[in-house]
Amino acid sequence: GQNIDQPTEMTATEGAIVQINCTYQTSGFNGLFWYQQHAGEAPTFLSYNVLDGLEEKGRFSSFLSRSKGYSYLLLKELQMKDSASYLCAGPNAGKSTFGDGTTLTVKP
Amino acid sequence: NAGVTQTPKFQVLKTGQSMTLQCAQDMNHEYMSWYRQDPGMGLRLIHYSVGAGITDQGEVPNGYNVSRSTTEDFPLRLLSAAPSQTSVYFCASSSPTRDTEAFFGQGTRLTVV
Repeated sequence: GQNIDQPTEMTATEGAIVQINCTYQTSGFNGLFWYQQHAGEAPTFLSYNVLDGLEEKGRFSSFLSRSKGYSYLLLKELQMKDSASYLCAGPNAGKSTFGDGTTLTVKP
Repeated sequence: NAGVTQTPKFQVLKTGQSMTLQCAQDMNHEYMSWYRQDPGMGLRLIHYSVGAGITDQGEVPNGYNVSRSTTEDFPLRLLSAAPSQTSVYFCASSSPTRDTEAFFGQGTRLTVV
């Protein structure tokens, strides 16, 4: 199947580092996306990994291991505005399969 | 630079009514898709299209129709609205040639009473 699993909720402190994991059970995805979605808004793109390894983009980094069906999103120097839902998604020829999202709450 | 334009933003329907959610993109993207998002859940694919004249079903297609007569437009039709279709609907587009991310419309909050 194409199940994508990620934790439902996480809480972290402002200024800290948090890692959000995502596991999937298919070889049909051409890489893995991470999106951020604030409450009441549309998802927006954060990162895309097509090859194994770590992609760093400012405070956000994303890692992919295709053989293990595993990815994570690393958020550093957390800010209050990082409180949002984080969705991992596997693209496949015009359609994407999304996880249910991880709601991150950043506390002062 | 409009990106993906989705209308309306809010809609209330009575059970049994039909309506069309509009989606247009100006980025010349070949791929377009419709998702619904229920509270506390991720996005579930309703229908998608890989180009003008080509559509296919996603995970939850029942009760919805789509057509893709042009590259720019991808309307979603609710044939006979049911309370179970109360949700937030997102249209998205992307380009296959560069493996780019999906760009989303602002969403339509639909309530069926």
